[in-house]
Amino acid sequence: DAKTTQPNSMESNEEEPVHLPCNHSTISGTDYIHWYRQLPSQGPEYVIHGLTSNVNNRMASLAIAEDRKSSTLILHRATLRDAAVYYCILSRGSTLGRLYFGRGTQLTVWP
Amino acid sequence: EPEVTQTPSHQVTQMGQEVILRCVPISNHLYFYWYRQILGQKVEFLVSFYNNEISEKSEIFDDQFSVERPDGSNFTLKIRSTKLEDSAMYFCASSDLVGWTDTQYFGPGTRLTVL
Repeated sequence: DAKTTQPNSMESNEEEPVHLPCNHSTISGTDYIHWYRQLPSQGPEYVIHGLTSNVNNRMASLAIAEDRKSSTLILHRATLRDAAVYYCILSRGSTLGRLYFGRGTQLTVWP
Repeated sequence: EPEVTQTPSHQVTQMGQEVILRCVPISNHLYFYWYRQILGQKVEFLVSFYNNEISEKSEIFDDQFSVERPDGSNFTLKIRSTKLEDSAMYFCASSDLVGWTDTQYFGPGTRLTVL
């Protein structure tokens, strides 16, 4: 499986921006970078994905390094509802949609 | 907003019994998946399903497991003879495009407890 490395945990205060890093030094040219999150006692939830360019959607922004060996998920204003485990996942065509979940980053948001 | 639903939310069974976990994927999706998560551990892929057949399965998905799309809306996971180690959260997911850029939408999960 395509390997990513994330910090085990991070903390933030409510209303502050959060930058969640991910290293993927073995990424191949056709790998997409996906982010999912899992709120307590819920199923994983899609957040955002990208290939080379930075991406924005209503939930978050994804900043991808020029060499694509790392990326950062940005939550512009953390809320208590954003407390979750965040997973950075590489999608490879050969796996036909199979997602490999690592341990992810546990984000704690303080009021 | 369309969502994946799963029933039951919690299933308790005795070891050796058969269980069927049910999922209703998003209506226009064509690709379906099952994952599981043992308490405190990673989410693990079990199987993917497209065009009424299994596309890929993991080493976890042995002969005790089977999947079926019995009608146009349901997608089921059957465990023929449950073991204690099958206790986990089981998540169904669906997507409308396979490959690098597919987004998978997950259901809320079924908690399976094997006694």
